[in-house]
Amino acid sequence: DIQMTQSPSSLSASVGDRITITCQASQDISEYLHWYQQKPGKAPNLLISDASKLETGVPSRFSASGSGTHFTFTIASLQPEDIATYYCQQSDYLPPTFGQGTKVEIK
Amino acid sequence: EVQLVESGGGLVQPGGSLRLSCAASGFTFSNYWMTWVRQAPGKGLEWVASIKRDGTQTFYVDSVKGRFAISRDNAQNSLFLEMNSLGAEDTAVYYCVRDVTLSVVSRWYFDLWGRGTLVTVTS
Repeated sequence: DIQMTQSPSSLSASVGDRITITCQASQDISEYLHWYQQKPGKAPNLLISDASKLETGVPSRFSASGSGTHFTFTIASLQPEDIATYYCQQSDYLPPTFGQGTKVEIK
Repeated sequence: EVQLVESGGGLVQPGGSLRLSCAASGFTFSNYWMTWVRQAPGKGLEWVASIKRDGTQTFYVDSVKGRFAISRDNAQNSLFLEMNSLGAEDTAVYYCVRDVTLSVVSRWYFDLWGRGTLVTVTS
């Protein structure tokens, strides 16, 4: 199975800060990498697909990039409503696998 | 409204069985691959099983092969997960999710999630 390793596992930042999460795949997954946001007590929500494509309705402060084995997810200016756990997921190989998540908190 | 609503979760003893259901509405259910994803308490997400649009192909994570069975009833816009020989490691919220694509081939990622149903395996 493809192992997806996210870092950091958690972070605390101030409103307005720029934050970056990384996701490393155990082997080349091209751009078959997707990012989800899971707010406390809620189901995950797809934010970004195919490494960098923002889903409809997702604020432009969210962005992502990468290919192969190294991927990054950025929130340009952290907002209080962005408090959540963020997951990457690869879809290049079965089984689809998720990173362990990055919990984002407000300082 | 486009939505997925799971039901059927609850408390079950080790070795027991449970059948989860998912009711889809607001979209043409038969056009989509469907999947179950689970999340153990305080843990991350784990893909469990997927089923092709017409139900002719199914895929499972190794840890549930031979114990779980995914199925669907397109006439009733419903997805199911039959779970047998349950163990503590199966304790999780189970989400019904929709594949992103209308294609014959799954894209293996998911754009619509239900709220989940909690399965607790305990003696």
